Amino acid sequence: KAGVTQTPRYLIKTRGQQVTLSCSPISGHRSVSWYQQTPGQGLQFLFEYFSETQRNKGNFPGRFSGRQFSNSRSEMNVSTLELGDSALYLCASLEGPLNNEQFFGPGTRLTVL
Amino acid sequence: SQQGEEDPQALSIQEGENATMNCSYKTSINNLQWYRQNSGRGLVHLILIRSNEREKHSGRLRVTLDTSKKSSSLLITASRAADTASYFCATQGAQKLVFGQGTRLTINP
Repeated sequence: KAGVTQTPRYLIKTRGQQVTLSCSPISGHRSVSWYQQTPGQGLQFLFEYFSETQRNKGNFPGRFSGRQFSNSRSEMNVSTLELGDSALYLCASLEGPLNNEQFFGPGTRLTVL
Repeated sequence: SQQGEEDPQALSIQEGENATMNCSYKTSINNLQWYRQNSGRGLVHLILIRSNEREKHSGRLRVTLDTSKKSSSLLITASRAADTASYFCATQGAQKLVFGQGTRLTINP
């Protein structure tokens, strides 16, 4: 099976813009989680989608949103970008229940200028 | 705040030596997982240990879990240059996976 894919791999935006990141999970996986990784805060959970429904949400402002499509592909959107949103955004797919390993994509490196 | 706290933050050893990393957490968990990350890339799952397990092995990896002390350790035996990476523990509670800050492991040739 192909692994988790994320597009784009690199992105440069300016403050105030918005951005959409995409994640395609492993075929057959119905759960997708998103994480933000920064040197200061480490890996932080953004949200998790399962069968097109947001199942869990982290402590991020409403500027961060996501959705999942019927084919399990997921997108996350960040509006009104701030310098502090510069980070590596990772998505992970999960085959079944939460109590199992997650498979991570290579990440999208977002730089906000 | 992060659930897992890892110790040490950085570790540098010679190739062939064993590396031990520790993780402590605060609340009850369903499982604890260890991941590896090379140079800002995606995370690679190493091993998962459930709350009712005490020890698990996978190749050169050995993980222990002590739920009474809320701690876990990852041992990498006979280290190789390719083991140079950041290692993260992650605790799985009722809902989400929460990561520690990681240990940066450097294997010197």
